[in-house]
Amino acid sequence: QKEVEQNSGPLSVPEGAIASLNCTYSDRVSQSFFWYRQYSGKSPELIMSIYSNGDKEDGRFTAQLNKASQYVSLLIRDSQPSDSATYLCAVNNPASGGSYIPTFGRGTSLIVHP
Amino acid sequence: GAVVSQHPSRVICKSGTSVKIECRSLDFQATTMFWYRQFPKQSLMLMATSNEGSKATYEQGVEKDKFLINHASLTLSTLTVTSAHPEDSSFYICSAREEGRNNQPQHFGDGTRLSIL
Repeated sequence: QKEVEQNSGPLSVPEGAIASLNCTYSDRVSQSFFWYRQYSGKSPELIMSIYSNGDKEDGRFTAQLNKASQYVSLLIRDSQPSDSATYLCAVNNPASGGSYIPTFGRGTSLIVHP
Repeated sequence: GAVVSQHPSRVICKSGTSVKIECRSLDFQATTMFWYRQFPKQSLMLMATSNEGSKATYEQGVEKDKFLINHASLTLSTLTVTSAHPEDSSFYICSAREEGRNNQPQHFGDGTRLSIL
């Protein structure tokens, strides 16, 4: 069974610090990786997509992918209280017929305190 | 960017009622849409994959006769919770992926909060 693992947290960081969120996945043939943010009572919103090894930066967010270690992370620089949310790691795994099936982690709760 | 519209946002109804939830992709065509359920403080659970023009694929443990899915066009999928009971109360969220872009991210609707009295 394909699995995506995340520490449920909560991860608590002070305002202005770097928050580091981690995710591991079980299927070596996974092709694409995504980070979503979900505020309480709301649906997930896409923050970052990453497809190849290395770092990808977008504003205060950096996604890091290491396919050899089956590990993907999200760094949030200069964390703000408004970043407090649950962060979901998602992995697309190839399925039959050329389709891709998403698998989500359980999410890590991030709390940024002033 | 890709926009997914989900309606209604909230439903409160009596036990035994059937409830229909719509999911529309507004600015792209979606061969595949996904339906999720999320209980309070729990993780997102995939219920089924909705395929345009064919039967939905249900996850293990999800009753297909209870949760009817219809994906009649490339922009609309519906989930009907038949004869809903209090244990069906949950947050239902749909997502869609652009046609021909299977390895791309999903885009989520705003969700439907279902409360069965």
